[in-house]
Amino acid sequence: DAKTTQPPSMDCAEGRAANLPCNHSTISGNEYVYWYRQIHSQGPQYIIHGLKNNETNEMASLIITEDRKSSTLILPHATLRDTAVYYCIVLRGGTASKLTFGTGTRLQVTL
Amino acid sequence: SAVISQKPSRDICQRGTSLTIQCQVDSQVTMMFWYRQQPGQSLTLIATANQGSEATYESGFVIDKFPISRPNLTFSTLTVSNLSPEDSSIYLCSARPADYLLMNTEAFFGQGTRLTVV
Repeated sequence: DAKTTQPPSMDCAEGRAANLPCNHSTISGNEYVYWYRQIHSQGPQYIIHGLKNNETNEMASLIITEDRKSSTLILPHATLRDTAVYYCIVLRGGTASKLTFGTGTRLQVTL
Repeated sequence: SAVISQKPSRDICQRGTSLTIQCQVDSQVTMMFWYRQQPGQSLTLIATANQGSEATYESGFVIDKFPISRPNLTFSTLTVSNLSPEDSSIYLCSARPADYLLMNTEAFFGQGTRLTVV
């Protein structure tokens, strides 16, 4: 599975959009981009995933560049409860694939 | 979605003893995984728990230290054996639901077991 690069930390004011970037320049055609987050002292939580089209759900939007070498997770109106470590993971299709976590981005949402 | 229950949520164990962690999923799942999260670190995959066969271990993890059982499609246990202070970590169970259409599915995680070895 392709490796990802994320900034180690970011800050965001409450109510603003949080835009978390992820570089995955070695992604291959059958690999998906997944985002998870881990709020302190909890298990990771699935946020969203996509292959090549932009995706949106009730939690976030995922924007994948046309060449698929990078993506951005957007939390449209960040709240203090969104403070967490966010992990971008690239994963082959199929239920046998294993999630491998990098170091992620620590997002701090402030008043 | 799937709900994963892990027991115990935390424990303090003496060195040299063992701890068995249980993971129960509320629906049948094809894949179950065990992770370790050392203090201040990211998650590291220990092994894939295979139903009806031996677990598949990642590099650096061995069956003698981390025996795993998977007796059915909803339950797994991880034992951390011969405990030392270096085993103090959070251990997490994860599962991916069965998907017979072979489309991608997300993984779900338990809340973890916080182990302290003294």
